[in-house]
Amino acid sequence: GIQVEQSPPDLILQEGANSTLRCNFSDSVNNLQWFHQNPWGQLINLFYIPSGTKQNGRLSATTVATERYSLLYISSSQTTDSGVYFCAAFPGAGSYQLTFGKGTKLSVIP
Amino acid sequence: DTEVTQTPKHLVMGMTNKKSLKCEQHMGHRAMYWYKQKAKKPPELMFVYSYEKLSINESVPSRFSPECPNSSLLNLHLHALQPEDSALYLCASSHSGGLDEQYFGPGTRLTVT
Repeated sequence: GIQVEQSPPDLILQEGANSTLRCNFSDSVNNLQWFHQNPWGQLINLFYIPSGTKQNGRLSATTVATERYSLLYISSSQTTDSGVYFCAAFPGAGSYQLTFGKGTKLSVIP
Repeated sequence: DTEVTQTPKHLVMGMTNKKSLKCEQHMGHRAMYWYKQKAKKPPELMFVYSYEKLSINESVPSRFSPECPNSSLLNLHLHALQPEDSALYLCASSHSGGLDEQYFGPGTRLTVT
């Protein structure tokens, strides 16, 4: 099946700093989602982004499907941005099951 | 409203108990999912219901029994669980399955003693 790899696995930021999280996938994907899992376990939808660029406040995402990667940008980070960021892809070829990466654990310190 | 609710938030049960987890959505979605998440791991798909019919069972042991009474509700019945079944159980829904965006509930944190 498809492999979804996220980097870096861990990231520590000073409040106010910017960061880029990366998601690589091993094969073509039909769609991709970015989630933020907060310390209480809630998975919050950030972006549903098969291709192109989307922005929502301080967050933006870019997916380049032909090159099999997606990027999540966090600007002016805040302590509430801490948690684990997952990307999850719908593989091509008729599979409709989300395949998750292992996540990037982000810690934003004051 | 993109809300999926789950009850209870926390559950502690013995290995001989029978309990149920509940999930509800009022977004008119016709696909609902159960995921299991162990600590420091990504969620793993357990079951998918599409239009109230079980469409995917990821080889889950029979001590987990899903039920979809109607298009808004999803239950997970638990019986004779093992300590290794302790995990965060997440429910999700999407418009009609397939490639649709999935929305997750807050989860039930289950501890089996």
